[in-house]
Amino acid sequence: GESVGLHLPTLSVQEGDNSIINCAYSNSASDYFIWYKQESGKGPQFIIDIRSNMDKRQGQRVTVLLNKTVKHLSLQIAATQPGDSAVYFCAEMGTTDSWGKLQFGAGTQVVVTP
Amino acid sequence: DTAVSQTPKYLVTQMGNDKSIKCEQNLGHDTMYWYKQDSKKFLKIMFSYNNKELIINETVPNRFSPKSPDKAHLNLHINSLELGDSAVYFCASSQFPGTGGRDTQYFGPGTRLTVL
Repeated sequence: GESVGLHLPTLSVQEGDNSIINCAYSNSASDYFIWYKQESGKGPQFIIDIRSNMDKRQGQRVTVLLNKTVKHLSLQIAATQPGDSAVYFCAEMGTTDSWGKLQFGAGTQVVVTP
Repeated sequence: DTAVSQTPKYLVTQMGNDKSIKCEQNLGHDTMYWYKQDSKKFLKIMFSYNNKELIINETVPNRFSPKSPDKAHLNLHINSLELGDSAVYFCASSQFPGTGGRDTQYFGPGTRLTVL
């Protein structure tokens, strides 16, 4: 989704369900991708990353999928918990020329309901 | 132990003033960054330093000047503050990029700057 005005796209998930957060990136030269979680009043917190030579990577309760053909990245959270409520950002990094320069997506607000 | 710390957490000031935000990391990283997050939560890189040398300098007004006294510290000084400078500023750090810069960046807690 896209942000409209001040409102981030929001994903409402029931506690215990799985969450899928999607991200489209624009730079076909991007070869490193990261998902960050930002809770209210805090800085972005690293969740999981993936390099372009992979299409799937799993962490604890999280899985990142990368589809380079359609320039799409997704984050799956298994058995979503109230503590997962936050804004989630995807970020990409390109070729050597963009050394260390992370480009962030707009963010998705995840709200976990009981 | 706090990995990346920033001070102050909140900064309220008048237009035209000069202010500084300090950042320190105890992760032993060689590279540090400053990001700006606007009211729509959009995060954008401003600067990056590697071993005290500037390596990324985005299109940022020259009223903003980063200073790195050593590789564990990266401070941000802002001159002649304007209303549009109101935002949350995040410091981050990463290891020396043996992978061409593609290393995880760890963020500080942020400094909320409000210019009145």
